[in-house]
Amino acid sequence: KAGVTQTPRYLIKTRGQQVTLSCSPISGHRSVSWYQQTPGQGLQFLFEYFSETQRNKGNFPGRFSGRQFSNSRSEMNVSTLELGDSALYLCASTGWGGVISGANVLTFGAGSRLTVL
Amino acid sequence: LAKTTQPISMDSYEGQEVNITCSHNNIATNDYITWYQQFPSQGPRFIIQGYKTKVTNEVASLFIPADRKSSTLSLPRVSLSDTAVYYCLVGGGNKLVFGAGTILRVKS
Repeated sequence: KAGVTQTPRYLIKTRGQQVTLSCSPISGHRSVSWYQQTPGQGLQFLFEYFSETQRNKGNFPGRFSGRQFSNSRSEMNVSTLELGDSALYLCASTGWGGVISGANVLTFGAGSRLTVL
Repeated sequence: LAKTTQPISMDSYEGQEVNITCSHNNIATNDYITWYQQFPSQGPRFIIQGYKTKVTNEVASLFIPADRKSSTLSLPRVSLSDTAVYYCLVGGGNKLVFGAGTILRVKS
């Protein structure tokens, strides 16, 4: 079956702009979680959406937000971009229970690489 | 919050067994331990998961001692294609904690 699809793969923005990233999960998966990956901070959990509701949130400012649609596709938005937001943004989908259960296996997309100038 | 510690890098040769250890002293009772592999420009890929003792699948083994404060990923007979970054992940909910990753370099 098709994997997790993230678009766009690469994008360049300038400080102060906003960006929206998209994630299509594996068919049947209701949980989509987002992560930021940078050389300095590694992989950090942003938030999780399950059945259109944000269920878990990591330690990121309110400029980072997201939503999930009825077909489980999810979008992540970053407003008022800062240079430090340059990163690889990954989404992952998982099945029953979502991220709450650490027993669930995450299937990641290839990521969206954001560069902020 | 469980904090994980992994070696920054490891070198090996083709055909050798590689063991990568992750320390997670504050692991909670209901936390699982999961290992992922990541190649450049790709998302992490699931390798193996365990809760206690030993788990084995077709690509790796995972050893977890009784106190669960560490775990060891064992890759038998590595090849050049195993060169990647390996992450251990502990927890669930909003306390997903990834290790900083171990860069494994396999040489011929």
